[in-house]
Amino acid sequence: EVQLVESGGGLIQPGGSLRLSCVASGFSVSDYGMTWVRLAPGKGLEWISFIRSRPVNMHYADSVKGRFTISRDSTENSLYLQMNSLRAEDTAMYYCARVDSITWSFDYWGQGALVTVTS
Amino acid sequence: VMTQSPLSLSVTLGQPASISCRSSQSLLFRDGNTYLSWFHQRPGQSPRRLIYKVSNRDSGVPDRFSGSGSGTDFTLKISRVEAEDVGVYYCMQGIDLFTFGPGTKVDIK
Repeated sequence: EVQLVESGGGLIQPGGSLRLSCVASGFSVSDYGMTWVRLAPGKGLEWISFIRSRPVNMHYADSVKGRFTISRDSTENSLYLQMNSLRAEDTAMYYCARVDSITWSFDYWGQGALVTVTS
Repeated sequence: VMTQSPLSLSVTLGQPASISCRSSQSLLFRDGNTYLSWFHQRPGQSPRRLIYKVSNRDSGVPDRFSGSGSGTDFTLKISRVEAEDVGVYYCMQGIDLFTFGPGTKVDIK
């Protein structure tokens, strides 16, 4: 059974850093593209980052480019999102999801990790 | 850019509902596939994919949900709305990285 479990969310001051983790089971993260999507209060879903399986390259939404870094560890079977220079507008629920390259869509999602940026 | 209409929809139980999604560019890829998906998110839950490649239902998705369209114009239809269908529906393009539509909030009248 495919499962994705996020962790690492919390309360952080503006300008701070946080790293989100997403542990996968039921498949290997190195065999699939993986992505992060967020849902800010009162807003809609926003795609923010994608890491391809092969070749390995990373993509970011303009809103997080230069501040966030996506990575993965095949030995831990995990996906990560390093978030630096956090702003109030980064406050959101962050979801990791698996990218199905046959459909170019997100077939499995985690339960989410809440990040709150506030002074 | 993805747009959806309406942004809010109040539906009577058992009645049909329809959500439109429009892309600023064609979602038909050179491989002949059209990469448009639909997701449903209930309050407090993770999103769930309903439809991929315009009209293909995911496993376990009731057949009252159907997707149609081509190029830049797409529609999600619910033939008979049930109470569990409340929430927000998003379309998403997968041809040029990924972009979600703004969402359509569905509630029961």
